[in-house]
Amino acid sequence: QQQVKQSPQSLIVQKGGISIINCAYENTAFDYFPWYQQFPGKGPALLIAIRPDVSEKKEGRFTISFNKSAKQFSLHIMDSQPGDSATYFCAAGRGSARQLTFGSGTQLTVLP
Amino acid sequence: EAGVTQSPTHLIKTRGQQATLRCSPISGHTSVYWYQQALGLGLQFLLWYDEGEERNRGNFPPRFSGRQFPNYSSELNVNALELEDSALYLCASSSYRGLGTEAFFGQGTRLTVV
Repeated sequence: QQQVKQSPQSLIVQKGGISIINCAYENTAFDYFPWYQQFPGKGPALLIAIRPDVSEKKEGRFTISFNKSAKQFSLHIMDSQPGDSATYFCAAGRGSARQLTFGSGTQLTVLP
Repeated sequence: EAGVTQSPTHLIKTRGQQATLRCSPISGHTSVYWYQQALGLGLQFLLWYDEGEERNRGNFPPRFSGRQFPNYSSELNVNALELEDSALYLCASSSYRGLGTEAFFGQGTRLTVV
């Protein structure tokens, strides 16, 4: 019940296109859903996060869509840029337990 | 403000040896988390420390252990190293206030077991 499933494993998008990464979770106790961006040789950096009381959160070109009933959430990157090429991880957390359960990651490549 | 710092950046050990990894959290953060990221895989939760106490641990054998010091820095020890322990070990810190406070990661320690 702790698993977070992420898809696709890899994604190639043209510059200016929309990148969409999906995650699904099982544990309904999760109440915090962040996305992390990781460049090679670096630690993951928090990109954007959402709580289940809202269905969408937007920060610049990055949007999280959250569907509580389906237990799914997704990251949309609008106007994708080559600099967005990185590995993206979704995660889910429970306030009482604190630690995050991560998805397996999506390697995004944005072609110039 | 300094971020989460980890040392060393790289560590090469021989199978059977012990490895010690260190982490300094962001100033004001009391919680420290350790994750293992094997090559090409996601992050697996190892340990969570808060206020000097181990609060939770992931599905790893007891030879993975650690501690948190009074200044909230932390140490991860891996005993009897095995080849499959080779991975990037990431430390994250957060401020234990309320629910779902953001966790910030360090650059990681790349452990190679030969």
